[in-house]
Parts: sequence; structure tokens; C-alpha cells
Amino acid sequence: RKEVEQDPGPFNVPEGATVAFNCTYSNSASQSFFWYRQDCRKEPKLLMSVYSSGNEDGRFTAQLNRASQYISLLIRDSKLSDSATYLCVVRERGYNKLIFGAGTRLAVHP
Amino acid sequence: SQTIHQWPATLVQPVGSPLSLECTVEGTSNPNLYWYRQAAGRGLQLLFYSVGIGQISSEVPQNLSASRPQDRQFILSSKKLLLSDSGFYLCAWSVPGSETQYFGPGTRLLVL
Repeated sequence: RKEVEQDPGPFNVPEGATVAFNCTYSNSASQSFFWYRQDCRKEPKLLMSVYSSGNEDGRFTAQLNRASQYISLLIRDSKLSDSATYLCVVRERGYNKLIFGAGTRLAVHP
Repeated sequence: SQTIHQWPATLVQPVGSPLSLECTVEGTSNPNLYWYRQAAGRGLQLLFYSVGIGQISSEVPQNLSASRPQDRQFILSSKKLLLSDSGFYLCAWSVPGSETQYFGPGTRLLVL
């Protein structure tokens, strides 16, 4: 079983749509959680951290369910510029190491 | 402000040839440094990380090695490349104690 699993997509949505991505992780000792965004043939960039209480940054909302070992990212009012691959990332307790999912690809069309 | 550089941007190498990829960070001191590889359709895999000059931790056994000759310089090397070494190599840095990692632009390596 992969340490971090994501639906690879692609998710093809029209502008203005709401889209949700899910991610599961296998290690219950995982401590920190993140969503990174990676544009085609570019480096990943941090989108947002994910906190236990859930957190929002503009049109983006992240949720964490530790009991189910499940992380989600909701994007409201999708823009063309949201087209990218979204990487779910987990850090285990006591390690510098980040574990990346393979990513979910989003394509927003006019 | 901090910046991270990687070169070359792309590289095509024959099987069995050596490899040297360089990463440098500017605008910060004593960063944690990381080498990742991203194969097509797969997540980033941590190859090496370093918390200081000459200190290298290897995450996966392979024919690659890393060195940190200076505080803000991280080098990825191989004596003989394999076809399976093809991929997108990313260097990253973080402030010690911080969880956020910042990635360089990457090097696309194709081994033929």
C-alpha cells in the first residue's frame, strides 16, 4: 500500500465549478499535512498547510480527519489558472522527511 | 530574499556515463537541503537530505550519491547512470525546524 494515496484524475471542470480532492495516508503517526501545487513541468510550491480544525485560504479549504487518516482540498469558483497537479504531502513525527502523493490533476476549462 | 538554483535544466546522458547535478541556495544560512526524484506519474521520492556541511542521509539504496561541500551547495552524483535514473530531479531547502520546503526549478534527466 502506498504511504500517501490520491486519485490521479484528471478532473475536468468548467470555470466556476467547485471541485474536491481526497487523499489518504497510511501512517497513523503522521504529524503534519500539506497541499502543494505543481504546474506542468515545474517545481512543486506550497499551497497550504492542513490543520486539524480545518482551514481556509480564499477559495481553498483544507480538512483533516485523523481518525480516518484522510485529507481533503476543496476549491470553490474554479479559475483557469487553477489548472495544475495538486500534491498531498505528509510529514511523519520526528522526521524531516516529507512523503508526497503522486498528485491529482485538475483541468479547468472555459 | 532566498533563491534556489539548479543546473542544468535538462540533460540527456548515455547509459553508463557519470552525472553531476548542482544546487545552490542564496539568502539563507545553514539550510536543510534535499534531493528528490519524480518519475512520470509518481510522487516525489526523497533521495538524500543534509542538515549541514558533510552530513548526508540517504533514504533509498541506489547508484546515486550526494555531497555538501559548502553550506549552501548540494551536489547529486552518479558514477554510472542507469536507464531507470531518468526523471525530474528537484532540490529543496528548508529552515531548520520549519516544515516548509522550497523547491528549485529542477533538472530533467533522460538516460538513453
